[in-house]
Amino acid sequence: GESVGLHLPTLSVQEGDNSIINCAYSNSASDYFIWYKQESGKGPQFIIDIRSNMDKRQGQRVTVLLNKTVKHLSLQIAATQPGDSAVYFCAENTAYNTDKLIFGTGTRLQVFP
Amino acid sequence: DSGVTQTPKHLITATGQRVTLRCSPRSGDLSVYWYQQSLDQGLQFLIQYYNGEERAKGNILERFSAQQFPDLHSELNLSSLELGDSALYFCASTSGSTGNTIYFGEGSWLTVV
Repeated sequence: GESVGLHLPTLSVQEGDNSIINCAYSNSASDYFIWYKQESGKGPQFIIDIRSNMDKRQGQRVTVLLNKTVKHLSLQIAATQPGDSAVYFCAENTAYNTDKLIFGTGTRLQVFP
Repeated sequence: DSGVTQTPKHLITATGQRVTLRCSPRSGDLSVYWYQQSLDQGLQFLIQYYNGEERAKGNILERFSAQQFPDLHSELNLSSLELGDSALYFCASTSGSTGNTIYFGEGSWLTVV
């Protein structure tokens, strides 16, 4: 069943192309950021994280970039595959008072052949 | 499989009723989070527990309550249910230290009719 909002921004890419998903976070005190992938009807799945003392981190086919100056986070997926189709959420963790995780609104990634 | 177990997976109940959602965190995780995801709200943080104690509170209604038991499993109680409470309810867990990965369960689908 559908589990995410109807009005999500959508990024459509061709299989094999690179995808870039952007996220603006809200709290300048946030010091830990995570990207999650959520497939329809499933729970968010951890992809990659980054701490505020870094500006780039690479994983397998994914790279996260952090620009603290403008409070911007991006997720780059190399050689996008059909299995990458999902909703992607960025999340920020503020350890100042609590360590609750605050999610962005999400971006739907559609991969077409 | 994230290791976080939620039951029931699906639940249909009538307005005015009360339900309890259960979450078993990953082995060794002390911290449990509850999130609500509905079509028009995205992922909304409800409440967090750490080792049995409430640690952070988000946009949780007064009709909702939660607790974490000595064996670290958690329950989310939803009472006087309204149609608008229909949503996916996710539990997530982490070891509790700031910056540690937060893993989500598959969610409990609640439909209020």
